[in-house]
Amino acid sequence: DAGITQSPRHKVTETGTPVTLRCHQTENHRYMYWYRQDPGHGLRLIHYSYGVKDTDKGEVSDGYSVSRSKTEDFLLTLESATSSQTSVYFCAIKPRSGNTIYFGEGSWLTVV
Amino acid sequence: GESVGLHLPTLSVQEGDNSIINCAYSNSASDYFIWYKQESGKGPQFIIDIRSNMDKRQGQRVTVLLNKTVKHHSLQIAATQPGDSAVYFCAEEFGNEKLTFGTGTRLTIIP
Repeated sequence: DAGITQSPRHKVTETGTPVTLRCHQTENHRYMYWYRQDPGHGLRLIHYSYGVKDTDKGEVSDGYSVSRSKTEDFLLTLESATSSQTSVYFCAIKPRSGNTIYFGEGSWLTVV
Repeated sequence: GESVGLHLPTLSVQEGDNSIINCAYSNSASDYFIWYKQESGKGPQFIIDIRSNMDKRQGQRVTVLLNKTVKHHSLQIAATQPGDSAVYFCAEEFGNEKLTFGTGTRLTIIP
């Protein structure tokens, strides 16, 4: 258990609507990540954060924005959801020591 | 970007036998390698990792072997059990930058 809580765990939304996924951690980790997982693509990094208000893009950041106003919360926003953003979204953290990242349980998003 | 690939997308192994899942990597400068297990409906779970200054690392029933000459590492699971059925992902990292993941291998344990 990496002390990560993702919400919502499941969501169905309509094309064009905004969606925000929340990742909450309780162990004061500096690094937090958002990945998406799709068949045939494995896990792809969307955005990551290395501290409060410090974020950077990953390999599939188009259409997504993030915010980290406090250490424990990392928000992923789809400003205008599209069907191509139907996916499973995983939040992850990296403890202050070591390279290993640990994943949350995922958020299943369906855009119809 | 760098690619991380798995030789086999699916693998079936008889219960009690050993299984080997292979992973090729393309960035010769990668210095950290890691394996995750993902069960259906759950997030990836860390299994074992290895740094480039090692050739082998063992855990409980799992071993990772690293061959830098051919840019390949493998996950070995000993005496497989039904609970080992899952998708296994390899990943690599260079210089504490972001992990790059492979697409996964589905391991099925046959009773």
